[in-house]
Amino acid sequence: GDSVTQMEGPVTLSEEAFLTINCTYTATGYPSLFWYVQYPGEGLQLLLKATKADDKGSNKGFEATYRKETTSFHLEKGSVQVSDSAVYFCALSAPNTGNQFYFGTGTSLTVIP
Amino acid sequence: DVKVTQSSRYLVKRTGEKVFLECVQDMDHENMFWYRQDPGLGLRLIYFSYDVKMKEKGDIPEGYSVSREKKERFSLILESASTNQTSMYLCASRTPSGGAGLGEQFFGPGTRLTVL
Repeated sequence: GDSVTQMEGPVTLSEEAFLTINCTYTATGYPSLFWYVQYPGEGLQLLLKATKADDKGSNKGFEATYRKETTSFHLEKGSVQVSDSAVYFCALSAPNTGNQFYFGTGTSLTVIP
Repeated sequence: DVKVTQSSRYLVKRTGEKVFLECVQDMDHENMFWYRQDPGLGLRLIYFSYDVKMKEKGDIPEGYSVSREKKERFSLILESASTNQTSMYLCASRTPSGGAGLGEQFFGPGTRLTVL
């Protein structure tokens, strides 16, 4: 069945460091891919998305490119800030699974000054 | 802005109690979802609903039921709460999409339930 695997955390970085959080997926058909972020004490909110191969989603300095050949959707940011400390979830949704989302287990990021 | 609200942020109940978690969305979305979130397990789908009075089991429906009497409201019911249902519960609703499976989900702030 459809699934998402993302890199385990926790990840700790210094401010202004480069961030990569790996995400790979398994899906039949052509899924849409998402990154969600969860700040402490809050629900999830959409960070970025891509709906077809080679699309690049971007928001708040974060980017991810939909790579069909490697079934990946890695999240990157060139220079992290303390305010980026949160849990990041990779997710997919595919037409053949109707309206269901499949989430990764989440990667906790802490950015230290 | 889309707003998804949940009736409580924190809830403490005793084993065997019947528990109601309420979720309301204000964007006229047809699809609504209930997840539980546990450390190391990510989000797991409990139930979802395509429309009023319609429901589908997710990955972990045992011990839960749902009710969708109005489009904006989706309730999760723990018939007889147990300690292993202590968790964070997240409600979500989904935008319509051009083709099935493409719209994003909007989440509520979550309800942290503790069952003693």
